Amino acid sequence: EAQVTQNPRYLITVTGKKLTVTCSQNMNHEYMSWYRQDPGLGLRQIYYSMNVEVTDKGDVPEGYKVSRKEKRNFPLILESPSPNQTSLYFCASSLLLAGPSYNEQFFGPGTRLTVL
Amino acid sequence: SQELEQSPQSLIVQEGKNLTINCTSSKTLYGLYWYKQKYGEGLIFLMMLQKGGEEKSHEKITAKLDEKKQQSSLHITASQPSHAGIYLCGADSGGYQKVTFGTGTKLQVIP
Repeated sequence: EAQVTQNPRYLITVTGKKLTVTCSQNMNHEYMSWYRQDPGLGLRQIYYSMNVEVTDKGDVPEGYKVSRKEKRNFPLILESPSPNQTSLYFCASSLLLAGPSYNEQFFGPGTRLTVL
Repeated sequence: SQELEQSPQSLIVQEGKNLTINCTSSKTLYGLYWYKQKYGEGLIFLMMLQKGGEEKSHEKITAKLDEKKQQSSLHITASQPSHAGIYLCGADSGGYQKVTFGTGTKLQVIP
């Protein structure tokens, strides 16, 4: 089954304790992205990657890191989490068409993170 | 930057009723996407509109993009409890896969 998986689905942690949220897709998609969803603010892009070893900042990258060492995986790293990073996080992937364009994104189930 | 405003923010309807959700852009839309999010789950792609006046349907959901390409509407006919969730519109912000999302419309359908 074609899917995007995220782990963990729920996480409660404390300020300053490094954590990683994993994201994996089995569709051989070039493009992967992380979003956070907050009430009243909608879905905002954190980082994205257009292929292995190619990553770039989205709209709200502060406090986050990513890596893309393999095509299927795109982990999100919070080196020193703070309470304002409490949010619902989504990973997404898609094919990357030639030229500026948009292709349907497939979303993971989400990770609900609480930072105390 | 592109801003998308959705209305209403939330909606409660009786099962069987029709409803419309609007998405208005501050700039011309070059691509408009509708997603549905079930509570606590990820987003599911519904449809994409690119041409002014374009209309697409999937089952009982119809989406339109106006001629001026600054507003889209999502219409659900004869709503069912399975339609409940959060509907988000997204717009192409230019560049590769760059999309801006609206804040969403929360829909509840009462049996």
